[in-house]
Amino acid sequence: SQQGEEDPQALSIQEGENATMNCSYKTSINNLQWYRQNSGRGLVHLILIRSNEREKHSGRLRVTLDTSKKSSSLLITASRAADTASYFCATLSTDSWGKLQFGAGTQVVVTP
Amino acid sequence: GAVVSQHPSRVICKSGTSVKIECRSLDFQATTMFWYRQFPKQSLMLMATSNEGSKATYEQGVEKDKFLINHASLTLSTLTVTSAHPEDSSFYICSAWDRGLEKLFFGSGTQLSVL
Repeated sequence: SQQGEEDPQALSIQEGENATMNCSYKTSINNLQWYRQNSGRGLVHLILIRSNEREKHSGRLRVTLDTSKKSSSLLITASRAADTASYFCATLSTDSWGKLQFGAGTQVVVTP
Repeated sequence: GAVVSQHPSRVICKSGTSVKIECRSLDFQATTMFWYRQFPKQSLMLMATSNEGSKATYEQGVEKDKFLINHASLTLSTLTVTSAHPEDSSFYICSAWDRGLEKLFFGSGTQLSVL
């Protein structure tokens, strides 16, 4: 079963704009992770934020986590055409060993 | 970083045949690996948890006799789709849990097409 819900389901922006997507979850978590998937390919780990962290940066990525609201956001700044992909959040529950629950994903299209 | 190798990347087979997919952790030992299934434009759905040296744990609704999982070593898990049918056509992805890094590393996936 899917733990998280993501919105929007799809996002279409132009190069240079920022892309923001949100993820909500239901259970207590150890950490939350964001992954990227190009069509027909495997997943690439982008960033991990622990339950005691509120914000994390990695290059053009910024992730926030609000455990009181059980939600997270991923911001991609100054988007590029190469950022076109599906983005998934995944949560690691406190009682699991690597058993991630994935959100439904946000399909991002960046047009030149 | 940790690397997970998954083979084959694509397989086309006739209905009724069995297909084996391999998942290897290349530079770390993975006592736990996971198998996911993904339909087009959908998210990953966990099929089963593969534990080295013990039986796999299947998610509700996944037929264990249909999807055989073997995790015989700390670096290899295999998924065998037995007597494949067209409805089994899907993208299968494995992942391996790196306990030290607390991260899940994914294989590149296997696109299975059953004719």
